[in-house]
Amino acid sequence: GAVVSQHPSWVICKSGTSVKIECRSLDFQATTMFWYRQFPKQSLMLMATSNEGSKATYEQGVEKDKFLINHASLTLSTLTVTSAHPEDSSFYICSAYDFGSGSWNEQFFGPGTRLTVL
Amino acid sequence: SQQGEEDPQALSIQEGENATMNCSYKTSINNLQWYRQNSGRGLVHLILIRSNEREKHSGRLRVTLDTSKKSSSLLITASRAADTASYFCATDTGTASKLTFGTGTRLQVTL
Repeated sequence: GAVVSQHPSWVICKSGTSVKIECRSLDFQATTMFWYRQFPKQSLMLMATSNEGSKATYEQGVEKDKFLINHASLTLSTLTVTSAHPEDSSFYICSAYDFGSGSWNEQFFGPGTRLTVL
Repeated sequence: SQQGEEDPQALSIQEGENATMNCSYKTSINNLQWYRQNSGRGLVHLILIRSNEREKHSGRLRVTLDTSKKSSSLLITASRAADTASYFCATDTGTASKLTFGTGTRLQVTL
């Protein structure tokens, strides 16, 4: 199946700093990627839909100025958490569809990035 | 919130037993999928069932879907310790659309 990677796998930062998380589709092109956030022992909540070459679509309640998403190429989307605070500590996961595989309904997920803000 | 509900929240069984977890959702769907997540890891796709299907099998997995009740169940037969993980259902409303995840079931399989 298609492979999605994330970098870094974990990051610790000080409050007030910005953190960038990369999501890459390794063997396919992804015009659309999704960013999720998951708090401990909870489910995944969709934050935004990242569209290559255009602005991201954010879910209700997600601050677009705090969570900057850039989908600069067909294989890379980045999520930048600006001025991070301890409440932003979470597990961030990206996903993408591989239309080239003929499977239009299966999202392939990255391994996730654990962010801890001190 | 449009998030689906899953029950039980947690399930502990012994190796060899069957595990059943249920998912209920709120809106009409196109597909329902089940994913597994090992602790602190990404999601692994298990099985997809379309809205016009009622049952689907894959190895030790059996999924049912009842669109009239807006519910689905996942049965894992002859469970193994390696099945220990969290299981999530997820629904979509169209091809390549965003997923809405259920609250998840944490399965513990003991030897």
